[in-house]
Amino acid sequence: DGGITQSPKYLFRKEGQNVTLSCEQNLNHDAMYWYRQDPGQGLRLIYYSQIVNDFQKGDIAEGYSVSREKKESFPLTVTSAQKNPTAFYLCASSIAGGTSGNTIYFGEGSWLTVV
Amino acid sequence: GENVEQHPSTLSVQEGDSAVIKCTYSDSASNYFPWYKQELGKRPQLIIDIRSNVGEKKDQRIAVTLNKTAKHFSLHITETQPEDSAVYFCAASTGNQFYFGTGTSLTVIP
Repeated sequence: DGGITQSPKYLFRKEGQNVTLSCEQNLNHDAMYWYRQDPGQGLRLIYYSQIVNDFQKGDIAEGYSVSREKKESFPLTVTSAQKNPTAFYLCASSIAGGTSGNTIYFGEGSWLTVV
Repeated sequence: GENVEQHPSTLSVQEGDSAVIKCTYSDSASNYFPWYKQELGKRPQLIIDIRSNVGEKKDQRIAVTLNKTAKHFSLHITETQPEDSAVYFCAASTGNQFYFGTGTSLTVIP
């Protein structure tokens, strides 16, 4: 799971700003995911992508946007429409979304704080 | 969609004792069940997993059991050590998505 790189590690957002979190993987994984984790809470799926140029909304997609122009990259934009974005964001990947038994590996995470 | 419930939310054990964390799932199509350990401020790391054609799997002090009929699976940690203290997440997957439990905060008291 060391092949998933998220940046920045810490990010501060002002009210009304859009910010983008980067996620790059060199594992040749087809599927990529973004999760949000609030303190003391579980992982909630924001968006996922099983193939280049295609992505699907997760449970809490409102106020977020993604793109998947390259297999290795899946950036997440937190828009001003997301009213409570302060959280720990985890990017993840797996070999193939449609194949059972392929586990999911996580990046180091990005802390986003609204100031 | 899938619903994964995890219990307990917090667990304290004495060093050397065993710890058991239980999860239930709702979608009978789920066929892969990984467990993750997350230390504070760090990413979840896979510690053990089990597929639906297996009832039990063991790796040193860690074991996972799966009951497909009852739709529940459990994590067992024996001879607990202080470094086992962390948050543990279960997950269920049909292959397309992964659904996570809400986590169990395990504290091992020296």
